[in-house]
Amino acid sequence: EAQVTQNPRYLITVTGKKLTVTCSQNMNHEYMSWYRQDPGLGLRQIYYSMNVEVTDKGDVPEGYKVSRKEKRNFPLILESPSPNQTSLYFCASNVQRGSTDTQYFGPGTRLTVL
Amino acid sequence: AQTVTQSQPEMSVQEAETVTLSCTYDTSESNYYLFWYKQPPSRQMILVIRQEAYKQQNATENRFSVNFQKAAKSFSLKISDSQLGDTAMYFCAFMGRGTSYGKLTFGQGTILTVHP
Repeated sequence: EAQVTQNPRYLITVTGKKLTVTCSQNMNHEYMSWYRQDPGLGLRQIYYSMNVEVTDKGDVPEGYKVSRKEKRNFPLILESPSPNQTSLYFCASNVQRGSTDTQYFGPGTRLTVL
Repeated sequence: AQTVTQSQPEMSVQEAETVTLSCTYDTSESNYYLFWYKQPPSRQMILVIRQEAYKQQNATENRFSVNFQKAAKSFSLKISDSQLGDTAMYFCAFMGRGTSYGKLTFGQGTILTVHP
C-alpha cells in the first residue's frame, strides 16, 4: 500500500530535550515536506526536499533541522524544543509528474513541549 | 509570495443540501495547481479535489465540484447532497509549478458541520 508514515504519532517532551520525528514514504517520490498546523493558521511549510541531499527552508524553519540521506526518509529534528513548537506536524511527499502533482500526507504527529 | 484566504471560519448545512466553501488566492505565477483537502476529526489530510490552472474546465469528483475563476483568483468548493461524513475542516491550498513547486500554501481552514 502506497503511504507516508510518521513516528511517533504522539509525543510529550520537555523544553530543551532533543527529539526526532521520522517520516518515510514507499512511493519513490522525489519531493518531501514538513508542515506544522496551528489553530487559525492552517498548515505552514517548515522545510522541503527536492531529492537526496537537497533541502530548502519553507516559511517557518526556525528551530528545526532536516536531512535527506535516503530518498524514502525525511526526518525532522528539534535540537532544543520550546513550548512554541507545540503543534501538529505533517510529513508529505509527491512526485513531479504532470497529472500526479499531488502531495500525499502522513497521519500527523501531535507534539507537546512542556 | 503566495497567499490563500478562506474567509469563512465555520459553515453548517443540513444533510442532503448543498454548501459552497470560498477560497481566494494571490500569486504572480501563471501556472499552478489548486487543491481542496479535507481533515476529519482523525486529523488525516485527505485530498478532495485538484484543479490545474491552465485547464478552463472546472474539476469535479462525484459530489464535489469547484468553481475556478482564474482572473478573479477565486476557487470555491461546492458539496452537493451533503452527508454526515462530510463534517470536517476543509483547507484550500496552492502550489506553483515554477520556483515554488513542492510547496503547498494553505488557507486558514473552514470547519464544516453537516446536521442530520
